[in-house]
Amino acid sequence: DSGVTQTPKHLITATGQRVTLRCSPRSGDLSVYWYQQSLDQGLQFLIQYYNGEERAKGNILERFSAQQFPDLHSELNLSSLELGDSALYFCASSPGLAGRTGELFFGEGSRLTVL
Amino acid sequence: DQQVKQNSPSLSVQEGRISILNCDYTNSMFDYFLWYKKYPAEGPTFLISISSIKDKNEDGRFTVFLNKSAKHLSLHIVPSQPGDSAVYFCAGCSNDYKLSFGAGTTVTVRA
Repeated sequence: DSGVTQTPKHLITATGQRVTLRCSPRSGDLSVYWYQQSLDQGLQFLIQYYNGEERAKGNILERFSAQQFPDLHSELNLSSLELGDSALYFCASSPGLAGRTGELFFGEGSRLTVL
Repeated sequence: DQQVKQNSPSLSVQEGRISILNCDYTNSMFDYFLWYKKYPAEGPTFLISISSIKDKNEDGRFTVFLNKSAKHLSLHIVPSQPGDSAVYFCAGCSNDYKLSFGAGTTVTVRA
């Protein structure tokens, strides 16, 4: 158990819909990262927040948005969903900006299926 | 833009033998490399890392080798155990703190 909690674990929805994925980081961790893993693809970095502020952005679509709240939990909002958005979405947390030293702790992921 | 490539999607090895996982990268700004391990229905967990100023880092049965001139790194697992059966992701990191992951290699250790 990494201490990172993601909900929901599974989600099935239709094209054009909007969903929200939620992440609670490990206690004390200030950074939250979102990654997308599509079939046969590596983990694609989407976005990072540090203590409520957006810190780094990756290949995140404009239809996607995220935020980190004062209690440090984070939400990833996916709108106007397309079939290609079906993927496993991982949240990770770290005490600081510590990705370089491997101190990223991943949740179990939220599997999104768009029909 | 795949900055990290793991060209072998799968690897099967006999218990007790060596597993060698390979990874190539294109971004010369990477100064840290990491390996993560993932079991089914779980998130990836950190395994081992190496700084670009080193060419080898060892942690128990796991050793990572870095060849900067070839932009290549490898993970050696010796001896391989059944519990090592998992997906292994290679990742590179530059000073922007973003990790770029490869597509992963699925390792199966046969008894």
